[in-house]
Order: sequence, then structure tokens, then C-alpha cells
Amino acid sequence: SYVLTQPPSVSVAPGQTATITCGGTNIGIISVHWYQQRPGQAPVLVVFDDIDRPSGIPERFSGSNSGNTATLTINRVEAGDEADYYCQVWDSRSDHPHVVFGGGTKLTVL
Amino acid sequence: LQLQESGPGLVKPSETLSLTCTVSGGSISVSSDCWGWIRQPPGKGLEWIGIIYYSGTTYYNSSLKSRVTMSVDTSKNQFSLHLNSVTAADRAVYYCARHPVGAWGPGGGDYWGQGIQVTVSS
Repeated sequence: SYVLTQPPSVSVAPGQTATITCGGTNIGIISVHWYQQRPGQAPVLVVFDDIDRPSGIPERFSGSNSGNTATLTINRVEAGDEADYYCQVWDSRSDHPHVVFGGGTKLTVL
Repeated sequence: LQLQESGPGLVKPSETLSLTCTVSGGSISVSSDCWGWIRQPPGKGLEWIGIIYYSGTTYYNSSLKSRVTMSVDTSKNQFSLHLNSVTAADRAVYYCARHPVGAWGPGGGDYWGQGIQVTVSS
């Protein structure tokens, strides 16, 4: 089964840039989606198809995907960005296509 | 578009958990979308359960496949999850979501329900 690996935690000061990685074998050839989940709330899609942002998501959120690593970048981090972030893919390459989530990264704003 | 989960918040061990997701503000019978269930045990990450197309085509998490059934009721604009033989390990918040279908399959979930807490206890 395909595995996505995220760092458990990332810390950044307000105004700085946060980088959250999602590792997977040849992840660069499949689409990666990113979610933000604040405590007690449902996940919110912040980046889809590697680099696109849904309507209403600030331009401070951006994504990239190449090789074995996809990355979510949050520029000019704000206190409100403190949340858990999950990457997700659709693995269609196996006999049983399925959704895979990364383990999640807790972003702490110092 | 809005999604709303409903069902019992308490299920007895060995019984079947049944949840429904009602879609409003749009039709469930759209070939460009599919509909998913995701759960989150307390203090843990997101776990995918399965996806269903309005045609009835389903894909399930292999670790749950033997216990999961998903269905669609287009007349009510709803889709459902049935998970049998539940144990304490099935205690979680259960979410439903819409996934637009891309060139390679289901995309990111762009609309989610608020989630429903399910506890397994006698």
C-alpha cells in the first residue's frame, strides 16, 4: 500500500514561511491535495492538484510536487494558520485504487 | 453545496453503524463528482473509508472492505455508510465529503460535512 510521510510537527514564527513536506515514492507523477484542519473542525481543502487553490484560500498558501516529495508552503504565517495539515493522493496504480492520507503535520505558530 | 451527516452517535459492539450524508444545494447525480466517507479517531489522523459514484461504483479501504458497504439514494440526494461488526476501534468522528473527479480519479475533497461523533459502547 502506498505510504505518505509527513513530519509530525513544524514550528514557525509569525510572518515567516512554513514548509510542510509529504514524501512518497514517485509522488511527483500523481496529484496531491492538502487540507487544513483546525481543532474541532472539519478539514478544509487548501491546495488541490499539486498547485491550485480553491476559491477563498489566500495566495499565501501554495503547493509544489516533484520527485518523491510534495510541499505545502505557507508564506507570511499568521496565528490563524496554526492547525493540522494533511496531504492526500488517489493511488490508482494498485489493483485496488484508493485514497491515501499522510499522517498529518501539526503547525505551531510561535 | 452543503453536506450533513446523520445517524446514531452510539452503537453497541458487534452491531452495524449506519450513517447518512444528505447533500443540499446541488445534485448527487453528477458524473463529475464522487462522494466519500472519512473518519478520525480521537487524537489521530484522517482515515479514508471509501468512495462511491452516483452510478453505484465503489472503492473501499482494503483494511475495512470486509465490513463496509456504501450506497447512494439519488431520489433523496443522499449517500450512506454501513460498517458492521463494530468494535471500540471504530470510535471516531465520521465525515462525508465531495470529491470532484479529475483525469486520474477522485480529486481533493472540496466540500465536507461537519462530522458526526460515533461511540461504540454497550
